[in-house]
Amino acid sequence: GENVEQHPSTLSVQEGDSAVIKCTYSDSASNYFPWYKQELGKGPQLIIDIRSNVGEKKDQRIAVTLNKTAKHFSLHITETQPEDSAVYFCAASKMEGSNYKLTFGKGTLLTVNP
Amino acid sequence: GAVVSQHPSRVICKSGTSVKIECRSLDFQATTMFWYRQFPKQSLMLMATSNEGSKATYEQGVEKDKFLINHASLTLSTLTVTSAHPEDSSFYICSARGGGRETQYFGPGTRLLVL
Repeated sequence: GENVEQHPSTLSVQEGDSAVIKCTYSDSASNYFPWYKQELGKGPQLIIDIRSNVGEKKDQRIAVTLNKTAKHFSLHITETQPEDSAVYFCAASKMEGSNYKLTFGKGTLLTVNP
Repeated sequence: GAVVSQHPSRVICKSGTSVKIECRSLDFQATTMFWYRQFPKQSLMLMATSNEGSKATYEQGVEKDKFLINHASLTLSTLTVTSAHPEDSSFYICSARGGGRETQYFGPGTRLLVL
């Protein structure tokens, strides 16, 4: 099955700096890669996603890049703010039978220090 | 758009009792709903996938007779933890997808504590 590796497990940055989280996946059949932000005690929130026919996608301070050949994708957050502090999960999705199945990375705890 | 709710947000029950958790898609029709379990400081573990009107598909190692899933309509799925034990204490999160898209939208989660 699919295996998603995520690094780093923790990341601490100063407010205003950039943060980068990297993920690799093992199954070349995966074709959809969402990123979720989870605050303490809450459910994951989709923040950005990318499909395998696209190399890069940006939404204000957040961007995601995908390298299909190398099977890795990254989340970039610029001009970080304290409210960006949370756990971020990458995921890879592919069809299994009639359903899309998400495989998650283990998460990155991002702390933005004021 | 794409709002998913869960109820209750928190529940405490005695060992041996059953607990039902509801998951609703509020503004879209969820053809598929997923149930996850999350332990502290860990990732999400998929328990089961349910398609509206069909039996749920459980992941390996998840007891289907203990975690009963019903997906009777396009906006509601329920997870019933039967004969709960302290080791069932966890954060349970549902997600939903619909419209032929692969994007999953998550609910806010339910914290279950079994005494």
